[in-house]
Amino acid sequence: GAVVSQHPSRVICKSGTSVKIECRSLDFQATTMFWYRQFPKQSLMLMATSNEGSKATYEQGVEKDKFLINHASLTLSTLTVTSAHPEDSSFYICSARVRDTNYGYTFGSGTRLTVV
Amino acid sequence: GNSVTQMEGPVTLSEEAFLTINCTYTATGYPSLFWYVQYPGEGLQLLLKATKADDKGSNKGFEATYRKETTSFHLEKGSVQVSDSAVYFCALTLNTGGFKTIFGAGTRLFVKA
Repeated sequence: GAVVSQHPSRVICKSGTSVKIECRSLDFQATTMFWYRQFPKQSLMLMATSNEGSKATYEQGVEKDKFLINHASLTLSTLTVTSAHPEDSSFYICSARVRDTNYGYTFGSGTRLTVV
Repeated sequence: GNSVTQMEGPVTLSEEAFLTINCTYTATGYPSLFWYVQYPGEGLQLLLKATKADDKGSNKGFEATYRKETTSFHLEKGSVQVSDSAVYFCALTLNTGGFKTIFGAGTRLFVKA
């Protein structure tokens, strides 16, 4: 149980275009979804926290106009990278807190974004 | 502030060797502690957890004990396999008016046959 499905797993886009990444909770309701970015051989950096039906809370230094987060339902959160540039190339991972794991999180499988 | 410090990798072991990956933390309050594993090209998976002092988390032969006196949560396995090759992340979660998770930098493990 407690599966988060993330799509796409890989995407290559041209510089200047936008890319949408989706995370769906398949068998539970995710009132809160977290979006992380991971640079090669580094740890996860929390980008933002999204709550269903309200605006996302962004971490310091993360451009909210560039990384648009929408959490319109209890099972779906999306991250849109707008006007992507090569420096946005990274591994993006979503996660949701699962109550019965004592504040542990279940993670999506990640999206490898390459901007060319 | 709150932080997690892990031993630097990579750690290279032969199959059936004993594994220890050190993790220490600083936290205000009483965090829950976790180990996550990331296989190549994949997202993170919860490996084990402990929610209070002296709790021992265990899964798939891995163990870690929540040591409040030393603020540590070291990961151990008695006999590693090639399939254990991955990156391991130590993490803590605090409820500070909203749940926040802080990850260590990760430790890459290579196991040779």
